[in-house]
Amino acid sequence: NAGVMQNPRHLVRRRGQEARLRCSPMKGHSHVYWYRQLPEEGLKFMVYLQKENIIDESGMPKERFSAEFPKEGPSILRIQQVVRGDSAAYFCASSRGPQEANVLTFGAGSRLTVL
Amino acid sequence: GENVEQHPSTLSVQEGDSAVIKCTYSDSASNYFPWYKQELGKGPQLIIDIRSNVGEKKDQRIAVTLNKTAKHFSLHITETQPEDSAVYFCAASGTNAGKSTFGDGTTLTVKP
Repeated sequence: NAGVMQNPRHLVRRRGQEARLRCSPMKGHSHVYWYRQLPEEGLKFMVYLQKENIIDESGMPKERFSAEFPKEGPSILRIQQVVRGDSAAYFCASSRGPQEANVLTFGAGSRLTVL
Repeated sequence: GENVEQHPSTLSVQEGDSAVIKCTYSDSASNYFPWYKQELGKGPQLIIDIRSNVGEKKDQRIAVTLNKTAKHFSLHITETQPEDSAVYFCAASGTNAGKSTFGDGTTLTVKP
């Protein structure tokens, strides 16, 4: 079991460019979550998705950020027109559902640096 | 929404001593309380969790206690080893709520 796979592990973008982060959940998991971790801070919830559905996006900024989890393929977190404040580690987690929806397995993260 | 506070933010102990990290939560509907260990450059790893119908859970050198009345829960690590050095996060969530609220983390350093 390869666990939760995230790529890229490191991404450098210039201000105004787009960043796309991908996450493949663990085998058998149908729920995906994205969390953001700023340097020396805790994890902040961004969005919770199931296949083809956004269940809760209450933690996601209203502008420039979007997430999807298509029927086929990985979940994608997309950040348009990146700014320096978007520099952070973005972690994806997955869980079985629905009875164990909050038992999370995290990936190794994608570290975004905006120059 | 839920608010989780974690203390202390840093903790330094001698190898072999015990370490205790405490968290409080605000939402009485929360009923699942996991603890994660995060090593440098890696993602958080679940080390132990407890549900609200249990007051204490133990797994070898790690234990977690929960006081639902006071809305606080604690992580206890006994006989600490240098490899226990990491950042530890507590979290709280409701059943099937789909999201967890995390504390700000405790950096544990175990000195050999």
